[in-house]
Amino acid sequence: DAGVTQSPTHLIKTRGQQVTLRCSPKSGHDTVSWYQQALGQGPQFIFQYYEEEERQRGNFPDRFSGHQFPNYSSELNVNALLLGDSALYLCASSLLLMNTEAFFGQGTRLTVV
Amino acid sequence: EDKVVQSPLSLVVHEGDTVTLNCSYEVTNFRSLLWYKQEKKAPTFLFMLTSSGIEKKSGRLSSILDKKELFSILNITATQTGDSAIYLCAAREEKTSYDKVIFGPGTSLSVIP
Repeated sequence: DAGVTQSPTHLIKTRGQQVTLRCSPKSGHDTVSWYQQALGQGPQFIFQYYEEEERQRGNFPDRFSGHQFPNYSSELNVNALLLGDSALYLCASSLLLMNTEAFFGQGTRLTVV
Repeated sequence: EDKVVQSPLSLVVHEGDTVTLNCSYEVTNFRSLLWYKQEKKAPTFLFMLTSSGIEKKSGRLSSILDKKELFSILNITATQTGDSAIYLCAAREEKTSYDKVIFGPGTSLSVIP
């Protein structure tokens, strides 16, 4: 049983560019949440997707957008990249409202230069 | 605004010591408290606590929740170098259409031989 998979593992982009990160949830899970983890900080909630809809959003600008596909996989898009967007982006999969643990992928390390 | 606070932020101990990590939370529509261990990238699940006063144990690790004081602790006895990691506390907020896990900043634990 594959766990949560994220791609790519590392990425270097230039300021102003756009990036797309991908996540496949654990088999059987229907909900994907995205987090940004800056160095030395805890993960910050970006948004959550369920049934192909954004259900809740954290305090992130509109430059951050997402999508969930019918197979439950998800993408995180960031436009107009800033140096401050450099971070580890984590995807977590879960079952909505089932109050069970969320499983995390290995993350994508994004560096903006 | 919902928040999770952890203390201490960093800790250095010798092998064999016992450590207590603290977590307090202020989260509306609180559902559960989760502890994760993060060694390199993906946080790995340790415990989920829903009820006050019931200790959960796994080997040398244990945790308990106080819903009246909005507080949880994670204890690690007889620490080993393999316990060196960042320990993340998170609170789950749940409403009818979403559940959102809010993380604290983490406690960085270093266990030296």
